[in-house]
Amino acid sequence: QQKVQQSPESLTVSEGAMASLNCTFSDRSSDNFRWYRQHSGKGLEVLVSIFSDGEKEEGSFTAHLNRASLHVFLHIREPQPSDSALYLCAVSRGNQGKLIFGQGTKLSIKP
Amino acid sequence: GGIITQTPKFLIGQEGQKLTLKCQQNFNHDTMYWYRQDSGKGLRLIYYSITENDLQKGDLSEGYDASREKKSSFSLTVTSAQKNEMAVFLCASSLRQGDYAEQFFGPGTRLTVL
Repeated sequence: QQKVQQSPESLTVSEGAMASLNCTFSDRSSDNFRWYRQHSGKGLEVLVSIFSDGEKEEGSFTAHLNRASLHVFLHIREPQPSDSALYLCAVSRGNQGKLIFGQGTKLSIKP
Repeated sequence: GGIITQTPKFLIGQEGQKLTLKCQQNFNHDTMYWYRQDSGKGLRLIYYSITENDLQKGDLSEGYDASREKKSSFSLTVTSAQKNEMAVFLCASSLRQGDYAEQFFGPGTRLTVL
């Protein structure tokens, strides 16, 4: 059974400083990785999807996947206070695999 | 663009009560999902449906029933609410079955059981 863990549990960074979030997974055959953002009381918003090793950039969000080390990172460039939210990582294997979510990282951006 | 609507936004029930949550989508998506989100835990799949009248169990289906009455709507029933239960239930939809297809999420229903 796939296990997905996120770290840290919570993170505070200053406005404009790079924020880096970590997600580890247990199945090296996984091929579908997504990062979501959830503002308080709202649904999930997909930020970036990545399917192969390397980097994928979407606006100020960059996902970095290294399947050999079982890690997928999310880097947020020049975050604003409006980026304060819960960030969730989700992983699956194959087109019929179910998305398995991590427990989330609560990110706070200080003005 | 489309939207996913979940009703009610807040649901308060009594222990043992049967409670129903509703979800509507106007994306014309085939597949719909119900997830449970607990504080400090990730989303866990309760039920999903790949087409009208289809139901598939997720990892957390015990204690729940679901109904896909038509393509645009998917209901979830908590068969017997547990005291002190508190969670957010998220509905999602995707164009087709399979997790390569992007899932779009509703705002959630927050359940509190007294």
